[in-house]
Amino acid sequence: GDSVTQMEGPVTLSEEAFLTINCTYTATGYPSLFWYVQYPGEGLQLLLKATKADDKGSNKGFEATYRKETTSFHLEKGSVQVSDSAVYFCALSDHSGNTPLVFGKGTRLSVIA
Amino acid sequence: GAGVSQSPSNKVTEKGKDVELRCDPISGHTALYWYRQRLGQGLEFLIYFQGNSAPDKSGLPSDRFSAERTGESVSTLTIQRTQQEDSAVYLCASSRPTETRGYGYTFGSGTRLTVV
Repeated sequence: GDSVTQMEGPVTLSEEAFLTINCTYTATGYPSLFWYVQYPGEGLQLLLKATKADDKGSNKGFEATYRKETTSFHLEKGSVQVSDSAVYFCALSDHSGNTPLVFGKGTRLSVIA
Repeated sequence: GAGVSQSPSNKVTEKGKDVELRCDPISGHTALYWYRQRLGQGLEFLIYFQGNSAPDKSGLPSDRFSAERTGESVSTLTIQRTQQEDSAVYLCASSRPTETRGYGYTFGSGTRLTVV
């Protein structure tokens, strides 16, 4: 079945450092890809998405590009802030959109001043 | 409503007791999902409702877990004879099914269940 693999954390960075969180997927057809963020004590929020190959999702300075050739959707940010400390989840929706989202295990990011 | 509402936000129960968790989805969202998130873990799919179709229960971990939804409204997740391993945050999400592929889900803030 479909699956998502993301790099294990925790990831600890200094403020203004460059962030990459790797995400690769296995799916039939053409899934949609998502990054969700979970701030401490809160529920999951959609951070960004991409629905077809070569699409770039972006939000709050974060970006991820849908790479079909490498089945990847890596999350990047050029300069992280302390407020970005959270758990990040990569997820996919299959080509039909009628089955539950498949989530990765999450990557905890801690940004220190 | 404006968002997905879950209640209670926190629940502490004694081992062996039954608990009922509630989810009120966004109006018009026909698809509703329950996930479980154990401490430090990812999201574990439990059950999926789509309109009046039979729910997808493939993720329920045991027969102590059940869920109901009437039409396209509120859903309740019931855990009978709770065990300490049931301690987790239970997350509910909803979506319009045709938009899931492009827009994903809207999540509630979750119910933190602690079994003592």
